[in-house]
This record gives sequence, C-alpha cells and structure tokens, in this order.
Amino acid sequence: EDKVVQSPLSLVVHEGDTVTLNCSYEVTNFRSLLWYKQEKKAPTFLFMLTSSGIEKKSGRLSSILDKKELFSILNITATQTGDSAIYLCAVEAAGWGKLQFGAGTQVVVTP
Amino acid sequence: DAGVTQSPTHLIKTRGQHVTLRCSPISGHKSVSWYQQVLGQGPQFIFQYYEKEERGRGNFPDRFSARQFPNYSSELNVNALLLGDSALYLCASSLATGAVLFGYTFGSGTRLTVV
Repeated sequence: EDKVVQSPLSLVVHEGDTVTLNCSYEVTNFRSLLWYKQEKKAPTFLFMLTSSGIEKKSGRLSSILDKKELFSILNITATQTGDSAIYLCAVEAAGWGKLQFGAGTQVVVTP
Repeated sequence: DAGVTQSPTHLIKTRGQHVTLRCSPISGHKSVSWYQQVLGQGPQFIFQYYEKEERGRGNFPDRFSARQFPNYSSELNVNALLLGDSALYLCASSLATGAVLFGYTFGSGTRLTVV
C-alpha cells in the first residue's frame, strides 16, 4: 500500500532556531514529491522535487530528496513566528493524477 | 488574477442531509481535484476531473459524487451526511493532470460541520 509518513508530528521551537522536517514515502512509480505550507486553510506550494540530491532553496527554506532511501527533508533556518504552520508533504506517482499526503508536521515558533 | 475560489466558506448541516460544494479554478485551468482534510490529518484525495471527465477517484463511498462543467468549474456533492464527513474540503486547480508538469493550486476550502 502506498504511504507517506511525516515526522515529527509536531514541534515547538524558539525564534532563530533551525527546524528539520522529515518525509518518507513508499509509492509505486514515483514521479514527484511536493512540500506545502498550510497556515489556516489553503495549502501553499513550497517546493517540488523530482531528482535526488539536488537541493532546492527559497529564502530560509530548503529541501532535498533522496530517491534511493525514499525520503525528503525540509529545513527552515532562522525561524520566525510567521513560520508557524502545518507543513505537508505529498507524493505524486505516474498515472495517478492525485497527490498522496502525509499527516503533516505542526510547527510552532515562539518569540 | 483570481485564484481558486470555493463556496461556501463554511456551512453546517444535519446528519442525513445533502450538501453541494463549489469550486471555480484559475482561469485557463482545465483540471480540478477535490480533497477532504479531517482535523489533524493530511488531505485525502476524493476526485479529479479534467476536461469534464472523471480521471481519478479516491477511496470514498458512493455518497460522494462530483462533476465538472463546460466552464471547468466543479461541484462536489455528498449525500446522506454522516458526522464523520465533517472536514475541510479543498479544491485544487491545474492546467492539466500531473503536478510535475503543471503544479496544483489550492483554494481556501469549505469547512463543513455535520451535527
């Protein structure tokens, strides 16, 4: 059965800390892995990863994919209170036309 | 440009009732997908429509149905509501099927509460 597992489920950090979120997956015919940030309702797109070992960066956020070990990490450096959100990992498999999501990691950044 | 528009934003229904949720995709997008997100969980895939045809269906009972109109907007219908149907229903819009090529943009969702 295809599955996506995120860890930890939640964490609390102080402003300025670095956060590392994990996403492991087991799917047939992997196509892409996506990270979303969900603050209130609409998940907003962060990264799409298709190739192993190529880091994607956007400001203080970065992500990398390991297709051999079937996982991805999302890093947030110098965290700010505005980074408080649920971070969702999703996997798309060829021929699916759908995204399979993990349960998400709730990040709380305290002042 | 307007993003993905969903209506209503909130609604409360009684068990056994029927509900219709609506989604207008980004202009030019021909694919609409529906997801159910129960509190504390990630979104679960319900349906995908492309060019008015169903292209994918998740593991949901037949009480759930959907359709896509010629203008590419979509409706999700749920019959005989159960308490467990209480969730945030998200619509995702895409140029076509396949996140790798086209990406997905989500709407803000409809919060359904069944009492």
